[in-house]
Amino acid sequence: EIVLTQSPVTLSLSPGERATLSCRASQSISNSLAWYQQKPGQAPRLIIYDASNRATGIPARFSGSGSGTDFTLSISSLEPEDFAVYHCQQRSKWPLTFGGGTKVEIK
Amino acid sequence: QVTLKESGPALVKPTQTLTLTCTVSGFSLSTRGSRVSWIRQPPGGALEWLTRLDWNDDKFYTTSLRTRLTTSKDTSKNQVVLTMTNMDPADTATYYCARTNGDNYFDYWGQGTLVTASS
Repeated sequence: EIVLTQSPVTLSLSPGERATLSCRASQSISNSLAWYQQKPGQAPRLIIYDASNRATGIPARFSGSGSGTDFTLSISSLEPEDFAVYHCQQRSKWPLTFGGGTKVEIK
Repeated sequence: QVTLKESGPALVKPTQTLTLTCTVSGFSLSTRGSRVSWIRQPPGGALEWLTRLDWNDDKFYTTSLRTRLTTSKDTSKNQVVLTMTNMDPADTATYYCARTNGDNYFDYWGQGTLVTASS
């Protein structure tokens, strides 16, 4: 099973700052990675797929990069609604797996 | 408009079997390319993919829970069913169903249902 390790566990930032989140895979997964945003009490929402493609309706301040084993989700300038938990997910091999999540909180 | 909604018991006793239903709208479970997964999340914990059921009745299961899980569908009711046997307190989680696209990403989710396994 492919293990995804997200870091940091918690990221404390102020609105307007840049957020950089990391997801590392235990083996190469090419670009087969998605990112999801989850707000308290809500289901996750797909924001990035295939490592760097924004899903429908996702603002341009969200960007993804990486391939192989190292991936990054960047939020260029945090808006109040961006404070949430972010999860990565790989689809390269069965079973599909998620990372442990990174919480982006208001500093 | 695609929607999914989970339903089932909020509380089950250890050793019992959990049955959850996902009712979908906005797409048909019999349409080629239609896929629905179940994903769970313990309180404060990580997401865990459990199963995927396809329009042609192909089924995929996570390795660690393979022997306890079954998924099926009733296309006439637009419903997907998940059963999990021998429930344990460690299975306490919010259970989500999610439409799964052709790339195995989850593009629409239900609101989730919290299931507590406790005596």
